[in-house]
Amino acid sequence: KQEVTQIPAALSVPEGENLVLNCSFTDSAIYNLQWFRQDPGKGLTSLLLIQSSQREQTSGRLNASLDKSSGRSTLYIAASQPGDSATYLCAVRPEGLTGGGNKLTFGTGTQLKVEL
Amino acid sequence: ETGVTQTPRHLVMGMTNKKSLKCEQHLGHNAMYWYKQSAKKPLELMFVYSLEERVENNSVPSRFSPECPNSSHLFLHLHTLQPEDSALYLCASSQETSSTDTQYFGPGTRLTVL
Repeated sequence: KQEVTQIPAALSVPEGENLVLNCSFTDSAIYNLQWFRQDPGKGLTSLLLIQSSQREQTSGRLNASLDKSSGRSTLYIAASQPGDSATYLCAVRPEGLTGGGNKLTFGTGTQLKVEL
Repeated sequence: ETGVTQTPRHLVMGMTNKKSLKCEQHLGHNAMYWYKQSAKKPLELMFVYSLEERVENNSVPSRFSPECPNSSHLFLHLHTLQPEDSALYLCASSQETSSTDTQYFGPGTRLTVL
C-alpha cells in the first residue's frame, strides 16, 4: 500500500526566504506526482504536476523536482511572500491503471506560514 | 458558476438525521470523487465515479451512500452518522482520459455530527 509522507509538518519563515518542502513515497511505481495548495477551510488547488518520466516542473517562483527511484519529491519556493501561507500537499497517482478514475494518495501536508 | 461547487458549505446534524451533500462540476469532466479530510490525517478517497459508474469504494461504511445521476452532479447521502464522521468533505472532478489530468476540487462541506 502506497504511503506518502511530508516533512516538516509545519514551517514558519520570514518573508523573502527561499524554502524547500519535502515529500516521500514508499512505492516508486507512480504515474505522476502533484503538489497542491490548500487555504484554510477551502478546497485544493493544483500547483504543479510532474510525470514519472520528468525530473522537474517550474511555475513562477515554484519548482518541483522528482526522483522516482528514491521515492522523493521537493517543492522549492523562491522569495516567499505572506500570500504563500497555506498548507501544501503532495499526491501520487499509481502507474498501470487505465480507466476508473484518477486515484491519488495524499500526504498529510506541510503547513507554511510566511511572516512579515 | 464555474469550476466545482459544493452545497451546503457547513452542516451540523444529529446522529439520527438524514442529509445529503451536493457537488456540481461545470468543467465537462467525466470523473468525480468524494474525499474525507480529518484533522492531522491525509485526504481519504471515499468514492470514485468514472463515466457515471462507481469504480471505487474504499471500504466506506454504508451510512455513506453516493449517487451520480449524471456526469455533472454527485451526491453523498448521509444517515445515522457518528461523531467521528465530523470532517471536511471534498468533491473533485477530472478528465480521466488525459495523461496530464489533474483533479479540480470544490471548497468542501464542513460537517459536524453531534
